[in-house]
Amino acid sequence: QVQHVQSGAEVKKPGASVRISCKASGNTLTNYAVHWVRQAPGQGLEWMGWINVGYGNTKNSQKFQDRVFITWDRSARTSYMELSSLRSEDTALYYCATDIGYCSGATCWLEAFDVWGQGTKVTVSS
Amino acid sequence: QFVLTQSPSASASLGASVRLTCTLNSGHSSYAIAWHQQQPEKGPRFLMKVNSDGSHNKGDGIPDRFSGSSSGAERYLTISSLQSEDEAEYYCQTWGTGINVVFGEGTKLTVL
Repeated sequence: QVQHVQSGAEVKKPGASVRISCKASGNTLTNYAVHWVRQAPGQGLEWMGWINVGYGNTKNSQKFQDRVFITWDRSARTSYMELSSLRSEDTALYYCATDIGYCSGATCWLEAFDVWGQGTKVTVSS
Repeated sequence: QFVLTQSPSASASLGASVRLTCTLNSGHSSYAIAWHQQQPEKGPRFLMKVNSDGSHNKGDGIPDRFSGSSSGAERYLTISSLQSEDEAEYYCQTWGTGINVVFGEGTKLTVL
């Protein structure tokens, strides 16, 4: 059974950065994408970006183009999402997820998300 | 711009059936979508993928009460024999080259 276990809640000041981890277990595949999604209080789901764990290339939503940095540690089977220049509007729950697609080389064929992490709460407050 | 449209809210009685709709915008009626359920204070859970031909593939452990279908640019999630635990927010999601990933704004289902 594939699971994604995320790191714990964070409280940050405006202007700081936060790094959240997402550890995959029960999955021996090496050719898929890990996505990051956030949900502000009372709001819907907002896709932020993905990383191809086999090749290391990433794609961010235009909204987060310059502030999100997604990485993958192959030995730890863990994805990290760093969000910089935090502001109060970044207060949200952050989720990682994988989809049922696959990647070959640098190309990923995205698909439906099928496994979600439990979420990490990030609070940005002075 | 790629848009998925969902009604903000829906309601139905305990034991009844309800159909939720996710509409793809013009020119994208061939896209598949996924349905995700988010119960109060919980993370999202994958329910199923619904293809443009109406076929669907459910996630592990999703009860038979949940089914999917399609008509044109509309993708449906039907929940029969509604139970109290079905009260949740339901999101549709789609994906593709160029659009990457898009979510609908969600439908809040109330079980009366």
